[in-house]
Amino acid sequence: DAGVIQSPRHEVTEMGQEVTLRCKPISGHNSLFWYRQTMMRGLELLIYFNNNVPIDDSGMPEDRFSAKMPNASFSTLKIQPSEPRDSAVYFCASSLRRAPRAQYFGPGTRLLVL
Amino acid sequence: GESVGLHLPTLSVQEGDNSIINCAYSNSASDYFIWYKQESGKGPQFIIDIRSNMDKRQGQRVTVLLNKTVKHLSLQIAATQPGDSAVYFCAENSGGGADGLTFGKGTHLIIQP
Repeated sequence: DAGVIQSPRHEVTEMGQEVTLRCKPISGHNSLFWYRQTMMRGLELLIYFNNNVPIDDSGMPEDRFSAKMPNASFSTLKIQPSEPRDSAVYFCASSLRRAPRAQYFGPGTRLLVL
Repeated sequence: GESVGLHLPTLSVQEGDNSIINCAYSNSASDYFIWYKQESGKGPQFIIDIRSNMDKRQGQRVTVLLNKTVKHLSLQIAATQPGDSAVYFCAENSGGGADGLTFGKGTHLIIQP
């Protein structure tokens, strides 16, 4: 079975541009998570969805960040406008809501904002 | 604030030896823990998990130990191989209905020939 799929794998953009990251969770999983990884702060949870509904977005850095999950097989994380400090690797993960709740990660999107 | 942290940022072991990676957590309400392996340029890969009602769980060449008294988690890798070289993260779920994971900073495991 396919794991979590993310696109693009790499994104280079200029400050001020809009960036959209995409994720397809593992089929049958009903929880989806967006994480950000940087050298300084490590892996941080940004937002997660249960059954397509956003549950906790307290990790979203600021209003420039938004996430949607229009259906069970697709989610987007959007940054508008992007800034150099947004440069990081963004991971999507999915899990079943029932125990043991192990989360499985995608390969990540490496974002560089110039 | 409460956090998950690792004692050693880098661990170097000889090929064939056993490796032990440690993790301290401070949230006594955490009820679920996971170890992940992350290779360069890849996403975290699930290794093994353990619930708070257990103190030991074994997988293939790996064992996780949980000591709730001192809030300590460890990952033991038997007969370490070159392919085990990676950064290892512990992660905790604080329970109470919150599903997100809090990650430690990671330990870089280096395998020497």
